[in-house]
Amino acid sequence: EADIYQTPRYLVIGTGKKITLECSQTMGHDKMYWYQQDPGMELHLIHYSYGVNSTEKGDLSSESTVSRIRTEHFPLTLESARPSHTSQYLCASSEWGLAGGNEQFFGPGTRLTVL
Amino acid sequence: AQSVTQLDSHVSVSEGTPVLLRCNYSSSYSPSLFWYVQHPNKGLQLLLKYTSAATLVKGINGFEAEFKKSETSFHLTKPSAHMSDAAEYFCVVRDSSNTGKLIFGQGTTLQVKP
Repeated sequence: EADIYQTPRYLVIGTGKKITLECSQTMGHDKMYWYQQDPGMELHLIHYSYGVNSTEKGDLSSESTVSRIRTEHFPLTLESARPSHTSQYLCASSEWGLAGGNEQFFGPGTRLTVL
Repeated sequence: AQSVTQLDSHVSVSEGTPVLLRCNYSSSYSPSLFWYVQHPNKGLQLLLKYTSAATLVKGINGFEAEFKKSETSFHLTKPSAHMSDAAEYFCVVRDSSNTGKLIFGQGTTLQVKP
């Protein structure tokens, strides 16, 4: 079944730790995205990728980094977590194309708490 | 630059009554507009999308939205609310660049009372 997965779903971690949030999709989509969502707020794009070896920064500045070594995998890494990184992180993917209606499919999100 | 404004942060209706969630957009070109729903602890799910075809768009679960260029609006409606409709709803516009990125509104929390 085609889908998009994120792990872990919840993570509570101490300040200074390195963390990686995983995102995988089985739909063969070229484009992938990471959004950050604070409680009760809208989503903000922090990273996106057009395909393998492509990564770009989004609208919201983030200390996180991403990589795209495989089409299906788009992990997000924080080298040194801080309480200000506490948020929900949502991964999405879509087909390549200039058509305006290309839908983005979202994963269930990772809720990160940094103590 | 494109943007969307959701006019209500919170809407409360009784089960079986109509739902109206309001959204205005700003775009210098013909936009692609979406409504997404987010249930607690779940990912976002696409309800419907407008891509310059029919102005009245039907989506899943009985929702529909009408694109009104003269009013720059894309309001979401449903004739009869169900308890399972309680969730957060986001009006979204697709960025005009070829990144395909989405620009989200602030969200509207829909409460459905029995």
